[in-house]
Amino acid sequence: GAGVSQSPSNKVTEKGKDVELRCDPISGHTALYWYRQSLGQGLEFLIYFQGNSAPDKSGLPSDRFSAERTGGSVSTLTIQRTQQEDSAVYLCASSLTPSQGGPSYNEQFFGPGTRLTVL
Amino acid sequence: QKEVEQDPGPLSVPEGAIVSLNCTYSNSAFQYFMWYRQYSRKGPELLMYTYSSGNKEDGRFTAQVDKSSKYISLFIRDSQPSDSATYLCAMITYNQGGKLIFGQGTELSVKP
Repeated sequence: GAGVSQSPSNKVTEKGKDVELRCDPISGHTALYWYRQSLGQGLEFLIYFQGNSAPDKSGLPSDRFSAERTGGSVSTLTIQRTQQEDSAVYLCASSLTPSQGGPSYNEQFFGPGTRLTVL
Repeated sequence: QKEVEQDPGPLSVPEGAIVSLNCTYSNSAFQYFMWYRQYSRKGPELLMYTYSSGNKEDGRFTAQVDKSSKYISLFIRDSQPSDSATYLCAMITYNQGGKLIFGQGTELSVKP
């Protein structure tokens, strides 16, 4: 079946512009995550959506970052007034409902990422 | 100090070698311990996960978790050039929903 898809695959923008990154999760997955991968920081959690619950935004680095998930499916990550330090690969992942205990783990499946370059 | 520490390498080995990859962590609440493999310009893919302490084997791969030492390992036997990738350890707790905490990743190159 289809995996997680992300668009665009590459985005080059000028400092100060806004960008929108899109994620299409695997059908039926209730949980959706955004991560950022940069050379200096590795892979960092940004935000997590689970069903109709309030999202966990604890990883967003500043108020220039926001995300929404419409209809429990597609998600958009928006970065306003981009800065050069925002340059990174933005990865989306989806999973079934995260485990609440016990040995079984519902895997997070990652998309290929969007490579963002801010000039 | 990061919650999860991993030597970024790079690590270069000859084909057929045994590879040992390691991570240390500071949060004793972690319950699931994962190893992801990431090829260049691709998203990470899950190799193995272990729940709590112990060992798990899958073909040429063995994952070990020692919660008393807060130390996890991934061993690759009979390494192949196709194993060349970045290996990321990741951990998660019950009360953090799905939030994975990753190590820096170790870049592995297996030379034919």
